[in-house]
Amino acid sequence: DGGITQSPKYLFRKEGQNVTLSCEQNLNHDAMYWYRQDPGQGLRLIYYSQIVNDFQKGDIAEGYSVSREKKESFPLTVTSAQKNPTAFYLCASSNDRATYNEQFFGPGTRLTGL
Amino acid sequence: GEDVEQSLFLSVREGDSSVINCTYTDSSSTYLYWYKQEPGAGLQLLTYIFSNMDMKQDQRLTVLLNKKDKHLSLRIADTQTGDSAIYFCAESNDYKLSFGAGTTVTVRA
Repeated sequence: DGGITQSPKYLFRKEGQNVTLSCEQNLNHDAMYWYRQDPGQGLRLIYYSQIVNDFQKGDIAEGYSVSREKKESFPLTVTSAQKNPTAFYLCASSNDRATYNEQFFGPGTRLTGL
Repeated sequence: GEDVEQSLFLSVREGDSSVINCTYTDSSSTYLYWYKQEPGAGLQLLTYIFSNMDMKQDQRLTVLLNKKDKHLSLRIADTQTGDSAIYFCAESNDYKLSFGAGTTVTVRA
């Protein structure tokens, strides 16, 4: 079964702590993305990566970090510098050689800051 | 996203048609998309339209694109309770998508 998995489903972060959200895909996609979803604000892009060992900041990268050491994996770390981490985090991937850029989404991680 | 705007809520009776509207700003967008999100889940692509098309029909879904006014709409015919969800309009910009805030569609019996 091809798809994107995210873990954990729920996560709590204490103040001053860093937490890492996992995103794995077996679709053989080159591009991967992290979005943050807040109620009434839609999705905002945090980071994206078009190829292994390379990634770019999105619109709201401050307080977050990523790595892309393997094609299948794109973990997101929410650092202690992110003072308002409570949100629904969505990971996505796409095949940039496709004629249209359909992004496939994981089921999401709900993070609550304590 | 601030570049893509949608109304936030739509209530529709089961069996009626739903129409969700969206305006976007990037005239160079090659594709425009409609995604659906069910409660507590990720997004799934419903349909997309190439920017040189005016209309696309796919079973119960009809997408209309007015490129001059940068207006996109999604019509769902014979709306069912399973259509209750949040619908996002999105425009493409290179590899990135810019999403609207989402329209919550509630289907009432």
